[in-house]
Amino acid sequence: DAGVIQSPRHEVTEMGQEVTLRCKPISGHDYLFWYRQTMMRGLELLIYFNNNVPIDDSGMPEDRFSAKMPNASFSTLKIQPSEPRDSAVYFCASSSTGVGYTFGSGTRLTVV
Amino acid sequence: SQQGEEDPQALSIQEGENATMNCSYKTSINNLQWYRQNSGRGLVHLILIRSNEREKHSGRLRVTLDTSKKSSSLLITASRAADTASYFCATDEGAGANNLFFGTGTRLTVIP
Repeated sequence: DAGVIQSPRHEVTEMGQEVTLRCKPISGHDYLFWYRQTMMRGLELLIYFNNNVPIDDSGMPEDRFSAKMPNASFSTLKIQPSEPRDSAVYFCASSSTGVGYTFGSGTRLTVV
Repeated sequence: SQQGEEDPQALSIQEGENATMNCSYKTSINNLQWYRQNSGRGLVHLILIRSNEREKHSGRLRVTLDTSKKSSSLLITASRAADTASYFCATDEGAGANNLFFGTGTRLTVIP
């Protein structure tokens, strides 16, 4: 297995633009998580899915953020419109019940 | 929140020495996990210890858990320069929850 695959690795966009981050979890994992990491806040859980269903999105900062998981092998995190304060590294992770998470390599987002 | 806190925030040791990092958390848990993050990379799962376990070993890693004190420690023995990274503890919220809350991390530097 190639692990959790995120794309793109780096994204630079202008304020106001739409940004879409993508994640392919490990096959067979039934949980998928989106985290954001910044120096100021550390790792924040944004949203997580179980069997493709969103379970807890209380960490999503505001309505500009949305996430979908149309099937077991794909998820997206969308920011529309993007703002400079959204600049961070966004991680996707997947797991099964009772085992550790496998993280992707992250997407470094810079909004200018 | 359930977010754990690591102590110390930064640790610098000589190669060959042991490194001990501590983690405290606030509420009941099902398990506690430790992760490593190399600069610019995703987190890597190191070890999971369940709430009914007190100690666990994996290679040069030793983890202890004291649920009465709501604390855990990670010991890396005979450290190597390659152990230089940030180390995070992560806890769930108990009651079958599978989402993790990460602490702020300990930045370990092993000097060759």
